[in-house]
Amino acid sequence: RKEVEQDPGPFNVPEGATVAFNCTYSNSASQSFFWYRQDCRKEPKLLMSVYSSGNEDGRFTAQLNRASQYISLLIRDSKLSDSATYLCVVRDSGYSTLTFGKGTMLLVSP
Amino acid sequence: DGGITQSPKYLFRKEGQNVTLSCEQNLNHDAMYWYRQDPGQGLRLIYYSQIVNDFQKGDIAEGYSVSREKKESFPLTVTSAQKNPTAFYLCASTPSANSGANVLTFGAGSRLTVL
Repeated sequence: RKEVEQDPGPFNVPEGATVAFNCTYSNSASQSFFWYRQDCRKEPKLLMSVYSSGNEDGRFTAQLNRASQYISLLIRDSKLSDSATYLCVVRDSGYSTLTFGKGTMLLVSP
Repeated sequence: DGGITQSPKYLFRKEGQNVTLSCEQNLNHDAMYWYRQDPGQGLRLIYYSQIVNDFQKGDIAEGYSVSREKKESFPLTVTSAQKNPTAFYLCASTPSANSGANVLTFGAGSRLTVL
């Protein structure tokens, strides 16, 4: 059974803080990795794909560690609008479907 | 604007009734998916379709049925056989099913409550 595990949180941080989430996956053959953001009672939306060499998009940095089978998301200079649930998503090689983690809730306070 | 339209947004059903959730996309995507989300849970795949007139069971297909008669449409029927149908249902699509780089585009979801 494929597993994607995340700390559910919530992570409570003040504005301007740096926060990091980790996600572990069970299938060593997994090939594609993503972070999605889901606001309360809304649909998930892609935040960023995760590349082998790591990648950055503004305040967001994603890292992949294949040896330890985990993915991380770092958010710098947190904004109130970053409050959401962050879903770790993994896709297996040759497989047409995705496995979602349960999500990590982030609450950014003034 | 291209996107996925789900309807209804909210639906109430009595026990023993079948209900059908609509999903329409104008993205010209080949693959479509139905997910279920329960509070505090990850998304779980119900059914998916890679091409018209073909669909596959996901992880939790029991009590659900789908059809894919048109590329744009992938309706989901929640039957009376589904023991715990109250959930948030999300429809999604990708340009094709077999590319690892494909990203899911989601509809806004349908929230079903069984009374």
